[in-house]
Amino acid sequence: DAGVTQSPTHLIKTRGQQVTLRCSPKSGHDTVSWYQQALGQGPQFIFQYYEEEERQRGNFPDRFSGHQFPNYSSELNVNALLLGDSALYLCASSDTSGRLTDTQYFGPGTRLTVL
Amino acid sequence: AQKVTQAQTEISVVEKEDVTLDCVYETRDTTYYLFWYKQPPSGELVFLIRRNSFDEQNEISGRYSWNFQKSTSSFNFTITASQVVDSAVYFCALSASDSNYQLIWGAGTKLIIKP
Repeated sequence: DAGVTQSPTHLIKTRGQQVTLRCSPKSGHDTVSWYQQALGQGPQFIFQYYEEEERQRGNFPDRFSGHQFPNYSSELNVNALLLGDSALYLCASSDTSGRLTDTQYFGPGTRLTVL
Repeated sequence: AQKVTQAQTEISVVEKEDVTLDCVYETRDTTYYLFWYKQPPSGELVFLIRRNSFDEQNEISGRYSWNFQKSTSSFNFTITASQVVDSAVYFCALSASDSNYQLIWGAGTKLIIKP
């Protein structure tokens, strides 16, 4: 049973560029959440997708956007990259079927470096 | 407001010693969920346990045990006979309706097990 997968593993971009990160949820899961984790800190919630719609959003600017596909996979897009966007981006999936309380399982993350 | 405090920034012990990681939480909700995750150097957050607020039974899983005490708002994690492979950052997290069930994370405790 495949777990949560993310691609790419590492990415280097320059300021002002745009980036797309991808996530495939655990088999049987329908909900995907994205987190940003700066070095030495806990994860910060970006947003959550369920039924191809953004269901919840954390305190992140509109430069951060996402999408969920019919097969439940998801993308995170970040526009106009800033140096402060350098972080580990984690994707988590859960089988909520409408519930918000289910356990989230995380992927290995994408390490984004902005120069 | 909801909050999770992990007061121990870093703990270092010698292999085979027992170690306890502290987690104190704040919430006004009567129904909430508590989690522990492990983050090894690879970066992936590994789910360890989920506990509902109405279930105060302590839990043991191999060398791992969890002590949930609502009276002190604590959910502590003990590793018995620690091993080098236990070295990681451990996060405690809270989910409750006050935050629309978004995970509220502690700052993490870095655990170093020396051989």
